[in-house]
Amino acid sequence: EVQLVESGGDVVRPGGSLRLSCAASGFRFGDFGMSWVRQAPGKGLEWVSGINWEGSSTSYADSVKGRVTISRDNAKNSLYLQMNSLRAEDTGLYYCARDLISMAGSIDHWGQGTGVTVSS
Amino acid sequence: DIQMTQSPSSLSASVGDRVTIRCRASQSISNYLSWYQQMPGKAPKLLIFSASILQSDVPTRFSGSGSGTDFSLTFSSLRPEDSATYYCQQTYSSPWTFGQGTKVEIK
Repeated sequence: EVQLVESGGDVVRPGGSLRLSCAASGFRFGDFGMSWVRQAPGKGLEWVSGINWEGSSTSYADSVKGRVTISRDNAKNSLYLQMNSLRAEDTGLYYCARDLISMAGSIDHWGQGTGVTVSS
Repeated sequence: DIQMTQSPSSLSASVGDRVTIRCRASQSISNYLSWYQQMPGKAPKLLIFSASILQSDVPTRFSGSGSGTDFSLTFSSLRPEDSATYYCQQTYSSPWTFGQGTKVEIK
């Protein structure tokens, strides 16, 4: 069974930093592209960042570009999201997600999410 | 960035109704379009990818169609458990972008 378990969410002040982690199991992690998707309270889905299977290609939403870095460690079956210069609008539930092997960005498995609150 | 616009934003329909949700892209995305269902308090679930391919274990009452800029998700016969918010997403050009969502309610 595919499992994605996020951690690292917290309450942080504006301008602060957080590192989100995602532990993957139940599949060959190194074969799949991965994404982070967030959802602000009561709002819709926003794709944040994606990374290819080997970590050589990354992409970001304009809203986080320059402040966020996605990375992965295939030996540890783990995905990460380093978030810097956090803003109130970064508040939300952050989902770790697995891309379809045949279509980057189309997500066939989701974690349950980790909450980030940016507030003074 | 490619903008995705869904219509309507919400709808209310009866069990057994045939219901269609639409999604329009700001530029052509070929068939790089996915649909998701999100129940309250739950993670989204992939229903359809490549505009019309049903994900495994998704009921056949769901279907997707379209290409280019105009797409649709159809429920052939609405069921009570279909009450949820539905999102389209383009994966033609990064950054991948979602529509704003369509909330489906059962009368």
